Amino acid sequence: DAKTTQPPSMDCAEGRAANLPCNHSTISGNEYVYWYRQIHSQGPQYIIHGLKNNETNEMASLIITEDRKSSTLILPHATLRDTAVYYCIVRSDNAGNMLTFGGGTRLMVKP
Amino acid sequence: DGGITQSPKYLFRKEGQNVTLSCEQNLNHDAMYWYRQDPGQGLRLIYYSQIVNDFQKGDIAEGYSVSREKKESFPLTVTSAQKNPTAFYLCASSSQGARGYGYTFGSGTRLTVV
Repeated sequence: DAKTTQPPSMDCAEGRAANLPCNHSTISGNEYVYWYRQIHSQGPQYIIHGLKNNETNEMASLIITEDRKSSTLILPHATLRDTAVYYCIVRSDNAGNMLTFGGGTRLMVKP
Repeated sequence: DGGITQSPKYLFRKEGQNVTLSCEQNLNHDAMYWYRQDPGQGLRLIYYSQIVNDFQKGDIAEGYSVSREKKESFPLTVTSAQKNPTAFYLCASSSQGARGYGYTFGSGTRLTVV
């Protein structure tokens, strides 16, 4: 699986959009970008994923650059409950059963 | 509701004692995993099992042991050989060949060795 690079921490004001970047410059053509988040002392939770096109669901939006070397997770209106560690994972469908986590970005949403 | 149950949520043990962490799932998933998380760090894979009676070492298996006698259960034993066992332990499950969104995690067990 391709490696990812994320900033270790970010702050965001409550009610504003949180934009979390991820660099995956060695991504292969068959690898998807997945985002998970982990609220303190809980297990990670799936947020969203994409291959080439931008994606949106009820939790977030995912913007993938045209060359697929980086992506941004957008939480449109961050709340205090969005304070968590966000993990960007790049993985192909035939990667076997493992899910590999990097260090993630610790997002702090402030009132 | 289907899910994964880890117990206990907090566990305290004396140094040199073995301790077993429980993980049970009712999702009918074939694959199960154990991860370790240290403060401020990401998750590291300890062991995984793709089918009953079979399991493989992950990146940091030394000092740990597992069993998979039932599809629903994947207990992890932290042995006295594990040099620094204090950590947050997470169990997960997925169907075979699951895509990256198909993983369910438990709520974790925080182990403290004193």
